[in-house]
Amino acid sequence: AQKVTQAQTEISVVEKEDVTLDCVYETRDTTYYLFWYKQPPSGELVFLIRRNSFDEQNEISGRYSWNFQKSTSSFNFTITASQVVDSAVYFCALSEAGGGFKTIFGAGTRLFVKA
Amino acid sequence: DSGVTQTPKHLITATGQRVTLRCSPRSGDLSVYWYQQSLDQGLQFLIQYYNGEERAKGNILERFSAQQFPDLHSELNLSSLELGDSALYFCASSSTGDPYNEQFFGPGTRLTVL
Repeated sequence: AQKVTQAQTEISVVEKEDVTLDCVYETRDTTYYLFWYKQPPSGELVFLIRRNSFDEQNEISGRYSWNFQKSTSSFNFTITASQVVDSAVYFCALSEAGGGFKTIFGAGTRLFVKA
Repeated sequence: DSGVTQTPKHLITATGQRVTLRCSPRSGDLSVYWYQQSLDQGLQFLIQYYNGEERAKGNILERFSAQQFPDLHSELNLSSLELGDSALYFCASSSTGDPYNEQFFGPGTRLTVL
């Protein structure tokens, strides 16, 4: 069965600190897709990144980077030099190719970045 | 702005009532998803439609129903409302509805049941 675990409920950091948000997933499918979404205080979820199960390359986009490790079933998200605008709830999500088109979201991690 | 619109933005109603939430997907997107976000349950997938047909069902209660119309907009109907149905309801759309598609979320409808 699909499952996504974001064990960190809330994280608080000071501006310019680096922060890593953890995501651990469970799936029996060999083909699956992992996502990160951001939900700022305004409420609307925004897509950040997608990874498929055959692509373990890490990705960097500006201050954001993602580390996908199949061996540990993890897809962690790091923000370098955090800024106040990074304050949001971040969701990790999983879709399985054979999973009937459902997307399962983790519980989310609320990130507070203090000035 | 994701291009997904939802109306109304806020809805306040009483227990036992019925409401309809409306969603228009991004231009060109064929698939619509509905999610419920509450404090205790997180973001729960309710149902997905693709080009007018139901494609996947999640934790949707029997009191809830949805449909997608020929113009691709979708409506989520919630009936016999209970206090516990108070939540933020999101609609999302994607191009084909396949598992690898990213989803574009609307601003949500906040439902308060008194």
